[in-house]
Amino acid sequence: GDSVTQMEGPVTLSEEAFLTINCTYTATGYPSLFWYVQYPGEGLQLLLKATKADDKGSNKGFEATYRKETTSFHLEKGSVQVSDSAVYFCALNQAGTALIFGKGTTLSVSS
Amino acid sequence: GAVVSQHPSRVICKSGTSVKIECRSLDFQATTMFWYRQFPKQSLMLMATSNEGSKATYEQGVEKDKFLINHASLTLSTLTVTSAHPEDSSFYICSVHRGRDSPLHFGNGTRLTVT
Repeated sequence: GDSVTQMEGPVTLSEEAFLTINCTYTATGYPSLFWYVQYPGEGLQLLLKATKADDKGSNKGFEATYRKETTSFHLEKGSVQVSDSAVYFCALNQAGTALIFGKGTTLSVSS
Repeated sequence: GAVVSQHPSRVICKSGTSVKIECRSLDFQATTMFWYRQFPKQSLMLMATSNEGSKATYEQGVEKDKFLINHASLTLSTLTVTSAHPEDSSFYICSVHRGRDSPLHFGNGTRLTVT
């Protein structure tokens, strides 16, 4: 079945450092891809999405490009802030089905 | 504004009691809602798909008699944890799907602690 694999954490960075969180997927057909963020004690929030190959999702300085050839959707940000500290989940879904999540990557940014 | 409202946000109950969690779609009718469970420092696992007017579809390994789901209207789905035990302590999150290419909208989750 479909699955999502994302890099193990935690990821610890200093403020203004470059961030990459790797995400690869296995799926039949053409899934939609998402990154969700969960701040401490809160629910999930959609960060960005891409619905077809070569689409780039972006929001709040974060970007991810849907790469079908490498089945990847890596999350990047050029300069992280302390406020970006959270757990990031890569996810996919197909045609109205439930999301399938990766295991999450904890990001900790220090000043 | 919020699209999905989930209540309560936190609940502490004694072992053996039942707890009901509500998930409301605020601005559109949802024929399908999803219930997830998240253990500490782990990913979200789909528990069941809640279908309005019909029985919920449970994922493998999820006890349907323990986690009762009722999707009585197009805007409300409830999850009842029956005869709760400490191992049921977890973070439960509902989500609603608006359309094929739309992301799921999530409630803020319910932190259940069973003592």
